Amino acid sequence: EDQVTQSPEALRLQEGESSSLNCSYTVSGLRGLFWYRQDPGKGPEFLFTLYSAGEEKEKERLKATLTKKESFLHITAPKPEDSATYLCAPMFSGGYNKLIFGAGTRLAVHP
Amino acid sequence: EAGVAQSPRYKIIEKRQSVAFWCNPISGHATLYWYQQILGQGPKLLIQFQNNGVVDDSQLPKDRFSAERLKGVDSTLKIQPAKLEDSAVYLCASSLFGASTNEKLFFGSGTQLSVL
Repeated sequence: EDQVTQSPEALRLQEGESSSLNCSYTVSGLRGLFWYRQDPGKGPEFLFTLYSAGEEKEKERLKATLTKKESFLHITAPKPEDSATYLCAPMFSGGYNKLIFGAGTRLAVHP
Repeated sequence: EAGVAQSPRYKIIEKRQSVAFWCNPISGHATLYWYQQILGQGPKLLIQFQNNGVVDDSQLPKDRFSAERLKGVDSTLKIQPAKLEDSAVYLCASSLFGASTNEKLFFGSGTQLSVL
């Protein structure tokens, strides 16, 4: 059965305190892995797509990495405006491309 | 570029009543998705259209939920009759090409439904 698990469920950081979020998955025929950011009361907003193990992508204070079984979202020196829920979504091939969203990690960055 | 538009923003109904949500995707986007997001969970796909045809509705509770995409553009999602467990945010998303690609999705802000 295709599954995705994100940890931790919630994370509280002080401004400037770096950390990592984890997304582990068991899907067959991985076509890519997406990271989205979701602010309260809004829909998810695209951050990154990773396609193969060993790939890394960066955007400002965020860096996403991918292995064969999991992905990490590293947050370096976070600011309060980075507070949001971060969702990962592996895409797998089931006749056509399908996304499974994890439950997300709720990140709170305090000044 | 205009984003995905959804209405209404909020809806409160009593159980057994009916409700409808509307979505206008980004212009030119072929694929449209309806997701259900229950509090504390990730979005779950209900139905996926490519143009005006259904690609996947395997997780749509068809005894109470229905959806259509008129002329391959706007879409409506209906619940009749609603149950307490239908309380959730209903998100609409669109993407430019078809279901065979691995492109990103663009989401609307959602409709928050409360069933009392």
